[in-house]
Amino acid sequence: SQTIHQWPATLVQPVGSPLSLECTVEGTSNPNLYWYRQAAGRGLQLLFYSVGIGQISSEVPQNLSASRPQDRQFILSSKKLLLSDSGFYLCAWRDRGQGWLYSGNTIYFGEGSWLTVV
Amino acid sequence: RKEVEQDPGPFNVPEGATVAFNCTYSNSASQSFFWYRQDCRKEPKLLMSVYSSGNEDGRFTAQLNRASQYISLLIRDSKLSDSATYLCVVNSGTYKYIFGTGTRLKVLA
Repeated sequence: SQTIHQWPATLVQPVGSPLSLECTVEGTSNPNLYWYRQAAGRGLQLLFYSVGIGQISSEVPQNLSASRPQDRQFILSSKKLLLSDSGFYLCAWRDRGQGWLYSGNTIYFGEGSWLTVV
Repeated sequence: RKEVEQDPGPFNVPEGATVAFNCTYSNSASQSFFWYRQDCRKEPKLLMSVYSSGNEDGRFTAQLNRASQYISLLIRDSKLSDSATYLCVVNSGTYKYIFGTGTRLKVLA
């Protein structure tokens, strides 16, 4: 079965410090990968998605970046964190199966990473 | 208008009650629909996909109304463990999944 893991689970970082969150998926190949952020009391905001190694699309301009160095590895980074970067970061994957109307297009989330920028 | 809208609640219901949530979406080309459950400080987890003909999973029933562009979730015989936030999710057949902000449910003893 497929599993997704992300780490670290919790981190407190000072303003201006770098960030690296990592996510790996097991049990599948060539998945679509996503990074979402959920601010307190708000919905999930798509930050980045990737359809393949080295292919990253950004949804919103920000000081974050993403990379996909391997098929099942997705990394979220920042060179200098802002206070507004605080939130709950979620990595997710979706099988690139056939058709869009089947449950195979369900999106699955990692456990999440709580980031507090101080 | 938001792409996916939900009543934030909270819906406070006694154990054993039946409760229903609605979610409206703006993109008529949307193709896939889901309900996710999110517990406090946890990741969202798939509750059920929503099919055109409606579908049921135990105490949970999901319905889709394409003409009016809404989906619904009905929970019968509510349990304390059903307390959570329920997220409506819509996919238009592309990479993008649009999440509602969630409806909070509290089941009271």
